[in-house]
Amino acid sequence: DIVMTQSPDSLAVSLGERATISCRSSQSLLKSSNNKNYLAWFQQRPGQPPKMFISWASTRESGVPDRFSGSGSGTDFTLTISGLQPEDVAVYYCQQYWSAPITFGQGTRLEIK
Amino acid sequence: QVQLVQSGAEVKNPGASVKVSCRASGYTLSYYAMHWVRQAPGQSLEWMGWINSLNGNKEYSQRFQGRVTITRDISASTDYVELSSLTSEDTALYYCVRGIGSDSWLWDYWGQGTLVTVSS
Repeated sequence: DIVMTQSPDSLAVSLGERATISCRSSQSLLKSSNNKNYLAWFQQRPGQPPKMFISWASTRESGVPDRFSGSGSGTDFTLTISGLQPEDVAVYYCQQYWSAPITFGQGTRLEIK
Repeated sequence: QVQLVQSGAEVKNPGASVKVSCRASGYTLSYYAMHWVRQAPGQSLEWMGWINSLNGNKEYSQRFQGRVTITRDISASTDYVELSSLTSEDTALYYCVRGIGSDSWLWDYWGQGTLVTVSS
């Protein structure tokens, strides 16, 4: 199974500041034939199901604010939230969909400082 | 609008089985993949398996050692996941999640979740 490891486990950032979450996979998620990374990011607000908001490592879903950006390739990926807003308080998960079983990172809890 | 409505909470004894349903509305069930994911209290997400609507195949996570079965009732627009030989470690919120296409591993709509509690 591909192991996904996130850091940090929790993060407190002031409103308007930048939050950065890292995700590392135990094997490359880059498919050379299409140059795509099979990596998604999910946001889970309290009491709600998770919601995918970035796929292919850097493609924002429709309606996702541009303060959210994903980057990285191969085994190392980063989620950056520029200009933290109160509604961004959530747990964030990275997920690989390169191979079964689909696996997730342990999650990063983002709070307001 | 697309909706996935899951069955209600369950309390089961260790060793029993549980079957969770996921009724789809607002779209044709057979045109989209369906995945099942669970989340133990305070824990991350765990993928259980999925049904590929393109060819009807089902694939399961080996972590469940053959205890998981996914079925589909097209006439009822409902998917099911059954988990057998329950232990306390199976206590979790179980979700159905729709793939964005018939054979997709990218997801869009989620059910509301079904809490399964395993306790003697």
